[in-house]
Amino acid sequence: AQSVTQPDIHITVSEGASLELRCNYSYGATPYLFWYVQSPGQGLQLLLKYFSGDTLVQGIKGFEAEFKRSQSSFNLRKPSVHWSDAAEYFCAVEGADDKIIFGKGTRLHILP
Amino acid sequence: DSGVTQTPKHLITATGQRVTLRCSPRSGDLSVYWYQQSLDQGLQFLIQYYNGEERAKGNILERFSAQQFPDLHSELNLSSLELGDSALYFCASSGHLWGGSGYEQFFGPGTRLTVL
Repeated sequence: AQSVTQPDIHITVSEGASLELRCNYSYGATPYLFWYVQSPGQGLQLLLKYFSGDTLVQGIKGFEAEFKRSQSSFNLRKPSVHWSDAAEYFCAVEGADDKIIFGKGTRLHILP
Repeated sequence: DSGVTQTPKHLITATGQRVTLRCSPRSGDLSVYWYQQSLDQGLQFLIQYYNGEERAKGNILERFSAQQFPDLHSELNLSSLELGDSALYFCASSGHLWGGSGYEQFFGPGTRLTVL
């Protein structure tokens, strides 16, 4: 069965610093991979998605993610975070049964 | 604004009661998904409907049921409510077709259910 692991429950970075949020997935074939962001009191918004092709995916708000099949990872990165990036980030995988499985989420805190 | 609407925004009720949550998908989207988000379980997929038919089932309790109507709006019915059912319930929609497609899901703002 497919699964998603986000090993970091909380991450704190300083404003202007770089960011990497980790995501590992388990799935037998090439999955569809997503990163969503949830701001406080809001629904989820898609940041980026990977279906096939170029393993480095660009998303909205300056985020990017790299698919590494050998490591079963799809880590999210941003070169310089802004205070408005404070939110909860969810990695998700969609398998052949069309179900999307979300990770537990990583809450990002930004220090001024 | 994702284009997905959910009502009500907040719902407070008592144990043993029954509630109905409503979702209107984005214009043109045929698929509707329901999720439950709680602190201990995280974001859990409950059920998906496509053009009125149940398409996929996740961790949905037997006390819960859903349906999608001809106008494509969907309702999630929660009955015999327990304290542990307190959570944020999200609806999402997509232009999803049959078969794995990786279509983006657009999420509504959620309904916060509190069971006292």
